[in-house]
Amino acid sequence: QKEVEQNSGPLSVPEGAIASLNCTYSDRVSQSFFWYRQYSGKSPELIMSIYSNGDKEDGRFTAQLNKASQYVSLLIRDSQPSDSATYLCAVSPLKYIFGTGTRLKVLA
Amino acid sequence: DADVTQTPRNRITKTGKRIMLECSQTKGHDRMYWYRQDPGLGLRLIYYSFDVKDINKGEISDGYSVSRQAQAKFSLSLESAIPNQTALYFCATSSPGTGGIDTQYFGPGTRLTVL
Repeated sequence: QKEVEQNSGPLSVPEGAIASLNCTYSDRVSQSFFWYRQYSGKSPELIMSIYSNGDKEDGRFTAQLNKASQYVSLLIRDSQPSDSATYLCAVSPLKYIFGTGTRLKVLA
Repeated sequence: DADVTQTPRNRITKTGKRIMLECSQTKGHDRMYWYRQDPGLGLRLIYYSFDVKDINKGEISDGYSVSRQAQAKFSLSLESAIPNQTALYFCATSSPGTGGIDTQYFGPGTRLTVL
């Protein structure tokens, strides 16, 4: 079992819709959870971090964490074509472990 | 100016050559990391350093070595490059924040091709 699992996609959503990206992790001692956005050929860019169970909102982005289910998700509201990218989930008790990423396509 | 810089940005080399990739940061962070990224495999940690005198292997350190010349500089070397080291290489930095949680910030990457 991979330590951090993400569906590779592509996940296609129409412009203006909500995109839901999911990530599961295996290490129960993980304490910090991060979502990065990566455009093709570019470096990962931090979007959200979350440490406590529940929801955390930042603009159009909401991160959701459920430690009991070992599950973290990212919701993108009012999706725009510029949101089309690969979204990487990372978990950390100390060092980061990255998932392989989910490719999101927002269709205009 | 970028907080984390990497040089070179692109490099094509031949099998057996020694290659050095350099990373510099102005963020004042103590922790630095080297990752490689391959299609479908995500980001994999090669080496990391929590301060100038601390060097640790990541999950894929074979064939690589590092040097932490200063707080701001962390270099990755391929002693004898081979084609399966063709990848996108990223440097990252971090510093423990509130509660010891740290966030990593990435450099722009180096695209390395080994022929």
